[in-house]
Amino acid sequence: QVQLQESGPGVVKPSETLSLICSVSGYSITSGYSWGWIRQPPGKGLECIGSVYRSESESYYNPSLKSRATISVDMSKNQISLKLTSVTASDTAVYYCVRRGRYDSSGYYDQWGRGTLVTVSS
Amino acid sequence: ETVLTQSPGTLSLSPGETATLSCRASQSVTTNLAWYRHKPGQAPRLLIYGASFRPTGIPDRFSGSGSGTDFTLTISRLEPEDFAVYYCQQYGRSPFTFGPGTKVDIK
Repeated sequence: QVQLQESGPGVVKPSETLSLICSVSGYSITSGYSWGWIRQPPGKGLECIGSVYRSESESYYNPSLKSRATISVDMSKNQISLKLTSVTASDTAVYYCVRRGRYDSSGYYDQWGRGTLVTVSS
Repeated sequence: ETVLTQSPGTLSLSPGETATLSCRASQSVTTNLAWYRHKPGQAPRLLIYGASFRPTGIPDRFSGSGSGTDFTLTISRLEPEDFAVYYCQQYGRSPFTFGPGTKVDIK
């Protein structure tokens, strides 16, 4: 059974970089799917951050994040990471690690982690 | 970007009843639409993809229909675990977007 587990600091200071790790068990991240992140600010809707297939050379990011996000895969550890630079209070959200198909035609998310709340506050 | 609108915002029903949820897209996404169920503190679960296909393990109480801009999720014979928030998501146009959700609660 595939399991995704997010981890990282619960609080990040404004203007700093948010860093999260997603540990995947029960499936090799080298095998045929894209991996990414979705977030949900308190009381608001879900927003796709981006996804990557095997390497950053085949990646997609939501333009709304204005190049602040970087998603990487560590195949040796079976982990995915997210870095979001220059955070503000509007980046406060529950962050979910997700799996989706490699191509846009399979752009639905068939595996999710439980999410981790990150608060941006000084 | 493609905006998804879900209705109603809240649906109050009893166990055993049928829920009908609507999702409307601001432009055509053909059949590139998925539905998810989300219970507090849990990982969201994929229920439907391709507008009408169920992943392995999803019971046939869940059915999806529609194409273009109008989609429906029908949940027959509501069970206790079905009282949750349901989101639609389109992947027909970049960036992929979600609807605001429909909450199904116990009447």
